[in-house]
Amino acid sequence: NAGVTQTPKFQVLKTGQSMTLQCAQDMNHEYMSWYRQDPGMGLRLIHYSVGAGITDQGEVPNGYNVSRSTTEDFPLRLLSAAPSQTSVYFCASSSSSTSGPLNEQFFGPGTRLTVL
Amino acid sequence: AQKVTQAQTEISVVEKEDVTLDCVYETRDTTYYLFWYKQPPSGELVFLIRRNSFDEQNEISGRYSWNFQKSTSSFNFTITASQVVDSAVYFCALSEETSGSRLTFGEGTQLTVNP
Repeated sequence: NAGVTQTPKFQVLKTGQSMTLQCAQDMNHEYMSWYRQDPGMGLRLIHYSVGAGITDQGEVPNGYNVSRSTTEDFPLRLLSAAPSQTSVYFCASSSSSTSGPLNEQFFGPGTRLTVL
Repeated sequence: AQKVTQAQTEISVVEKEDVTLDCVYETRDTTYYLFWYKQPPSGELVFLIRRNSFDEQNEISGRYSWNFQKSTSSFNFTITASQVVDSAVYFCALSEETSGSRLTFGEGTQLTVNP
């Protein structure tokens, strides 16, 4: 198993550009989520999904879109990048959804994004 | 709303010292889950432990131990006989049963172990 994979590892954008951060998992996990990590603020939840076709907003969703057409993939889209979106982005997956015991969340290696 | 506070931003110790990382949480749920993650300088997030709200037993894993006290809403993490390889950022996180698998993280504690 590759676990949770993210691409790219590094990206530099100019203000106003758009891009998609890719996230895939091969563990057949129902639950996937995106976090951003900023200095001194820990990780904050952007969007999450409890299964294919179902997504919802987290704590900091503005400026980001997501979709979940398959169990494996959960891309994060920046429609018009802003310097405030400079951050490290982590994708995570787990085998639980909204009921039952919460299992360990597996994190991807992260994408370091810089917006100039 | 759930909240996690790690009041210690940075801790510096000398190798072989014991060190405790504090974590205080807030939640209205009676069923919730607490986690610790390690983020070494390479940047990945490494899962260390999960504890549910009904299990207040302390846990020990090698040099690591965790003290969960519901009375003080704390879930502290102790490293015994610290080593240079323990240098990392450590995050405490909380998930309420009603919020599914969504994690709320603390701000993190940067631990530096000096030789």
